[in-house]
Amino acid sequence: EDQVTQSPEALRLQEGESSSLNCSYTVSGLRGLFWYRQDPGKGPEFLFTLYSAGEEKEKERLKATLTKKESFLHITAPKPEDSATYLCAVQFSGGGADGLTFGKGTHLIIQP
Amino acid sequence: NAGVMQNPRHLVRRRGQEARLRCSPMKGHSHVYWYRQLPEEGLKFMVYLQKENIIDESGMPKERFSAEFPKEGPSILRIQQVVRGDSAAYFCASSPNTGAGELFFGEGSRLTVL
Repeated sequence: EDQVTQSPEALRLQEGESSSLNCSYTVSGLRGLFWYRQDPGKGPEFLFTLYSAGEEKEKERLKATLTKKESFLHITAPKPEDSATYLCAVQFSGGGADGLTFGKGTHLIIQP
Repeated sequence: NAGVMQNPRHLVRRRGQEARLRCSPMKGHSHVYWYRQLPEEGLKFMVYLQKENIIDESGMPKERFSAEFPKEGPSILRIQQVVRGDSAAYFCASSPNTGAGELFFGEGSRLTVL
């Protein structure tokens, strides 16, 4: 069964303390991997799309990378406003489902 | 430039009643997706629709749940005879293209079943 696992479930960092979030997946065929950010009481907000191993995308303090089995979301010198739940989602080839399969997310707290 | 609009934002129903959730996609988007988020669970895909067509309903429960996206008006997710296990946040997302992974989500409709 295709699965997406995110770790850690929760992460508390000091402002400026860099770290990485992990998303591992087991799939029969990957069409794309996506990162979203979700604030409390809000819908997810799209961040990045990655399609092939070795690909990297950057946006402000965030950088997403992809290997054949996992993706990392690196956060450099985070600020309190980066606090949110970060969701990883994959789209599989075959099987017919057009929807994304989401992980449970990493709840990130950045303390000032 | 309005985003994806969902209403109601909060809905309370008693067991056995019906719940109707509405979603207006972003302007120019003809693809609509519904996801459900249960407490402590990830977002789960339910259904993918284009105007007047259900494209993929592989994530939709077989009974009590239905969805439509008429030629005119919003997409509607309908839950008949609600049970406590239906309590969740229901998110609608839209995209301009088929098979897109970059989705634009609404703020969700939170259903509470008493």
